[in-house]
Amino acid sequence: GAGVSQSPRYKVAKRGQDVALRCDPISGHVSLFWYQQALGQGPEFLTYFQNEAQLDKSGLPSDRFFAERPEGSVSTLKIQRTQQEDSAVYLCASNGARGQWGNQPQHFGDGTRLSIL
Amino acid sequence: QKEVEQDPGPLSVPEGAIVSLNCTYSNSAFQYFMWYRQYSRKGPELLMYTYSSGNKEDGRFTAQVDKSSKYISLFIRDSQPSDSATYLCATVRIQGAQKLVFGQGTRLTINP
Repeated sequence: GAGVSQSPRYKVAKRGQDVALRCDPISGHVSLFWYQQALGQGPEFLTYFQNEAQLDKSGLPSDRFFAERPEGSVSTLKIQRTQQEDSAVYLCASNGARGQWGNQPQHFGDGTRLSIL
Repeated sequence: QKEVEQDPGPLSVPEGAIVSLNCTYSNSAFQYFMWYRQYSRKGPELLMYTYSSGNKEDGRFTAQVDKSSKYISLFIRDSQPSDSATYLCATVRIQGAQKLVFGQGTRLTINP
C-alpha cells in the first residue's frame, strides 16, 4: 500500500506485560515519528527518527518506552511492564524531510489502539 | 497551560452551515500551522497547512492565521455530513526537529 501501515490495529495486554507496536512508513520516507493519543485528546509527540538515528526522544514518558528503527525503514515501539495509563492510540507518521520542517507534511497511519487491563 | 489551546466542543450544526473552528497558541516560535481531520478510528489526515498570516483557501475550506494575536482558524463552507469528524489544529517550529504540537481537537457533527 501507499500509506503508513501500523500493526496490530488493536492490542489488549495485562498490566505488567511487554508489548511491541510496528510501523511501516511510506517507502523512501526518511523521517518517522511516533505520537500517543489519549482518548479525547490530540496526539502528543513521543520520538523522531531520521533514517536509523533517533534524533529526539524527549516525549517518551518513561524509561519503559523504547523505540528503534534499525535499518531506517520499519520502526518498533516497545513498552515494557505496561501500566493502565499506557492505554491510548499510538500513531506513527512519516515524511521525506530531513531535519527541519522542510514544507513536507507528516502522513499518519491509523494507529494501534492499546488497552491495558 | 498547553502550548496550543482548542475548544473540544462538541459542535453540532445543520448541513449547509458555515463552520468556524479555532485555536490559540502561546509560543512565537511556532511558524507553520496545520489543520488535520480525523475520522473515528482513523489516523489524522492533513487538510491544509500555511505559514503566513492571512487566508489560504482550498475548495470549501479556508485556513486563517493571525500571528499578531496567535490565533488560527478553519472555516468550512457548505458543510456536508461527510465533514463530521474531529478537527485538529497543529503547529511546528521552523528550527529544530519537526515534532508537531496539536490542539485537543474539536468534534464536529453535521446534521442532514
